[in-house]
Amino acid sequence: DAGVIQSPRHEVTEMGQEVTLRCKPISGHNSLFWYRQTMMRGLELLIYFNNNVPIDDSGMPEDRFSAKMPNASFSTLKIQPSEPRDSAVYFCASKELPGYNEQFFGPGTRLTVL
Amino acid sequence: AQKITQTQPGMFVQEKEAVTLDCTYDTSDQSYGLFWYKQPSSGEMIFLIYQGSYDEQNATEGRYSLNFQKARKSANLVISASQLGDSAMYFCAMRGGAGNMLTFGGGTRLMVKP
Repeated sequence: DAGVIQSPRHEVTEMGQEVTLRCKPISGHNSLFWYRQTMMRGLELLIYFNNNVPIDDSGMPEDRFSAKMPNASFSTLKIQPSEPRDSAVYFCASKELPGYNEQFFGPGTRLTVL
Repeated sequence: AQKITQTQPGMFVQEKEAVTLDCTYDTSDQSYGLFWYKQPSSGEMIFLIYQGSYDEQNATEGRYSLNFQKARKSANLVISASQLGDSAMYFCAMRGGAGNMLTFGGGTRLMVKP
């Protein structure tokens, strides 16, 4: 079975450019999460969706960040305009609802903003 | 608010020995779940073990066991018979109540010496 798929795996862009990160959750999983990992702040939850509906976006740093989940098999995280401080590894994770089971993480996207 | 504390930023262990990674948590929820994830140098997040707050027995998964002490609010990970491949970052995380969100600790870097 395919795990959580993220693309691109690496992204290098210049400050001010728009960046779009993509995620395909595990088939059948109906809860999806976006995390950001940095050395300074560790792993932070940005936003999560249940059944394609955003439930909690309190972790989204500012209006430059937006996330969508148009269907059960696809989500995007967009940064516009990007800034050097957005450089991080962005993880997507998914899990089944309901249940107290674990989240399955994708391989991450390493974003570098110059 | 929930908080996870991992007080050991780095640890060494001799190959084939057991090691305990500490995790303490703070929550006002009666029902919660505790998770451990491993992050090797390749960057992916790998689920290791789960403990529910109402589980009476400590969770075990192969060489991993979770030393759950509810009154002390600790959920330490014990790795028996360490292997070189166990060298990685280890993260403790908590899910509070009926929610889906995970709060992560700052991680412990484990290095296994041959």
